[in-house]
Amino acid sequence: SQTIHQWPATLVQPVGSPLSLECTVEGTSNPNLYWYRQAAGRGLQLLFYSVGIGQISSEVPQNLSASRPQDRQFILSSKKLLLSDSGFYLCATGGAELFTEAFFGQGTRPTVV
Amino acid sequence: GENVEQHPSTLSVQEGDSAVIKCTYSDSASNYFPWYKQELGKGPQLIIDIRSNVGEKKDQRIAVTLNKTAKHFSLHITETQPEDSAVYFCAASTGGFKTIFGAGTRLFVKA
Repeated sequence: SQTIHQWPATLVQPVGSPLSLECTVEGTSNPNLYWYRQAAGRGLQLLFYSVGIGQISSEVPQNLSASRPQDRQFILSSKKLLLSDSGFYLCATGGAELFTEAFFGQGTRPTVV
Repeated sequence: GENVEQHPSTLSVQEGDSAVIKCTYSDSASNYFPWYKQELGKGPQLIIDIRSNVGEKKDQRIAVTLNKTAKHFSLHITETQPEDSAVYFCAASTGGFKTIFGAGTRLFVKA
């Protein structure tokens, strides 16, 4: 079965500092990978998805970027954090159903101060 | 654009009672409808899903129904237990890369 690792779990960073969140996947090859953001009390907003190494699609124009340097590694970054970047970030990979997200990581909660 | 509405936003039931969460979707091309359970501080976990060629699916105390004509689908939890307390999300997908999620329902099961 698939396992998703996300780190760090939490972090506190000042406005204007860079951000890097990492996600790695075990138990599958060539997965579709996704980054979601969840605001407090809200649903999940798709930020980026990737169907392969170096292939990134952005859903929401914003202060963030994503990269996929290896088949099972997905990175979310920001050069300069904004207060609005606080939230809960979730990495996900497709499950048994093609092109659907079935497995989520435990999430990373950056707090921008 | 595509939209998924979920109701209620908060649901409180007594242990042993049933809980029903309802969702409607706007894109008639949607053909896959997963439900996720999210416990505090954790990522969502897939609990059940249904495809558009099926009207109902059951897994122990959990069942999902789909009405394609009305573009409604619902989650039913019977004999609720305190460990069922969590946030539940519905979602709809057309089979592409985008899955649209509802805003979530916070379920409280009182012992």
